[in-house]
Amino acid sequence: AQSVTQPDIHITVSEGASLELRCNYSYGATPYLFWYVQSPGQGLQLLLKYFSGDTLVQGIKGFEAEFKRSQSSFNLRKPSVHWSDAAEYFCAVGAWNNNDMRFGAGTRLTVKP
Amino acid sequence: DAGVTQSPTHLIKTRGQHVTLRCSPISGHKSVSWYQQVLGQGPQFIFQYYEKEERGRGNFPDRFSARQFPNYSSELNVNALLLGDSALYLCASSYPGQGAGETQYFGPGTRLLVL
Repeated sequence: AQSVTQPDIHITVSEGASLELRCNYSYGATPYLFWYVQSPGQGLQLLLKYFSGDTLVQGIKGFEAEFKRSQSSFNLRKPSVHWSDAAEYFCAVGAWNNNDMRFGAGTRLTVKP
Repeated sequence: DAGVTQSPTHLIKTRGQHVTLRCSPISGHKSVSWYQQVLGQGPQFIFQYYEKEERGRGNFPDRFSARQFPNYSSELNVNALLLGDSALYLCASSYPGQGAGETQYFGPGTRLLVL
């Protein structure tokens, strides 16, 4: 069965510091992996997605993620965090057509001034 | 262009009642998915519709049903509401046929409170 684990419930970083959010997945076939961000009271916005090819994926807002098949991981990174990055981040795995997409429980990011 | 819209934004119901939530996809998008997001958790997949046909269903009871109309808008219906149905219900639309990976665009959600 497919599933996603985000080990960190809450992370606090200082503005300007680097960020890494962890994501581990379980999927029987070729995984389609996604990172979404959700601000309070808002819907989800896609940051980036991975299907095949280069294992380092670039997304919007300066985010990137690296797919590591041997570790079943798809960690999200940003070299320098901005106060506006404070939000909830969700990792997800699913089929190519988003059918039965599975989300992790999310990681809440707090940015200290 | 307008994004995905959902109505109503907030809703309060009592146990046993029925509720209908509505979603209008982005113009040109033919696929609509519904998700339930309980407070403190990630979204859970409920349904996906494409061209008015159900293409996928998550692990939800038969009290949950949905349909898609010829204009690709969609309704999610929940019967015999339980307290545990209180959640944010998200709708997402996408345009199939782009190839590997359909980007889903999410609406702001409908927050349902069951008392």
